[in-house]
Amino acid sequence: NAGVTQTPKFQVLKTGQSMTLQCAQDMNHNSMYWYRQDPGMGLRLIYYSASEGTTDKGEVPNGYNVSRLNKREFSLRLESAAPSQTSVYFCASSVSGTSGSYTQYFGPGTRLTVL
Amino acid sequence: EDQVTQSPEALRLQEGESSSLNCSYTVSGLRGLFWYRQDPGKGPEFLFTLYSAGEEKEKERLKATLTKKESFLHITAPKPEDSATYLCAVQADGQNFVFGPGTRLSVLP
Repeated sequence: NAGVTQTPKFQVLKTGQSMTLQCAQDMNHNSMYWYRQDPGMGLRLIYYSASEGTTDKGEVPNGYNVSRLNKREFSLRLESAAPSQTSVYFCASSVSGTSGSYTQYFGPGTRLTVL
Repeated sequence: EDQVTQSPEALRLQEGESSSLNCSYTVSGLRGLFWYRQDPGKGPEFLFTLYSAGEEKEKERLKATLTKKESFLHITAPKPEDSATYLCAVQADGQNFVFGPGTRLSVLP
């Protein structure tokens, strides 16, 4: 099992350019997530998808769109990149456990720089 | 508002010197408290889930405990390979997760 995979690993954009970050999981998990991680701050949830065909906003959704393409794949799109979106982006998927909890498993991350 | 803080921000230990990391949280309706390990340039790696006060879990040199307001990650006789950033997160209702900023642990040989 590859677990959660993300492409690309690194990306440099100019302000105003668009791009899509790709994520796939092979663990047959229903839920998938996109986070960003900035220095000195915890991981912050951008969007999540509880199941195929559904998406919900997290803490910091502005400037992003997502698509749950199928059960395996969840993509994150930046329509018009801004320097404030310079960050490391992590995708995760989860399996449900005790008492409605969800244990998340993370991908290796995409390091994005917007100039 | 759901919140997670972690202390200390950074910790330097000698190999074999045991210590604890703290995670303090405020959340309405805790579904789970999670500990992750993150190595530089990599994604977080799942360690433990705790569900209710009084619960403890162990894995090798790590033991996680949970009270109604805090969780501790105890590291017994650490080795240099335990050096990493340790993240704490809580899940409130639904699939809303709040992460702390992490504790950066360095274990010197």
